[in-house]
Amino acid sequence: AQKITQTQPGMFVQEKEAVTLDCTYDTSDPSYGLFWYKQPSSGEMIFLIYQGSYDQQNATEGRYSLNFQKARKSANLVISASQLGDSAMYFCAMRVLGDMRFGAGTRLTVKP
Amino acid sequence: DTEVTQTPKHLVMGMTNKKSLKCEQHMGHRAMYWYKQKAKKPPELMFVYSYEKLSINESVPSRFSPECPNSSLLNLHLHALQPEDSALYLCASSQGAGGRSQETQYFGPGTRLLVL
Repeated sequence: AQKITQTQPGMFVQEKEAVTLDCTYDTSDPSYGLFWYKQPSSGEMIFLIYQGSYDQQNATEGRYSLNFQKARKSANLVISASQLGDSAMYFCAMRVLGDMRFGAGTRLTVKP
Repeated sequence: DTEVTQTPKHLVMGMTNKKSLKCEQHMGHRAMYWYKQKAKKPPELMFVYSYEKLSINESVPSRFSPECPNSSLLNLHLHALQPEDSALYLCASSQGAGGRSQETQYFGPGTRLLVL
């Protein structure tokens, strides 16, 4: 069975600074996908970034990068140059074949 | 274009009502999903449709009845719901058949359901 863990219920960051949101996972399957989603108060789950288990390089998408440490089974999201609009709930998710599981989420608040 | 649309945005219903939630995508995706999300919790998978056939039912009560009329549409029929069914219902779609680890799911804005 797979498990995904986000240990930070809430995080604060100053505008324009970088922030790291933690995510660890556990699976015995060698093939899996790791995803980060952003959920503003409006409710929509917005896809941010994807990392495959066989990918050699860390994924990057604009201000988002995924710090993938396979041996430690961690997939932390780094947001650079935080903006006020980044305030939201962030979910880490892992997919093994058709089974997608979400972590508990981290609420990020960006301070002006 | 990665748009998934859902209607209605908000729904209030009594325990004896019958209502339906609708989801639509025009990205040519072959898998569609229903999730339920309670406040301050992560989404929980309810159903998966692959090529318009139900492939996963996560032991959801029969008062929730999914339907996939065609490859672009996904409905969730609601009947005799309980107050504890109040939640955000999210629809998602992915390009493949829903069975690969690499498939990204794209979500709609959700329907906020309140059962009185």
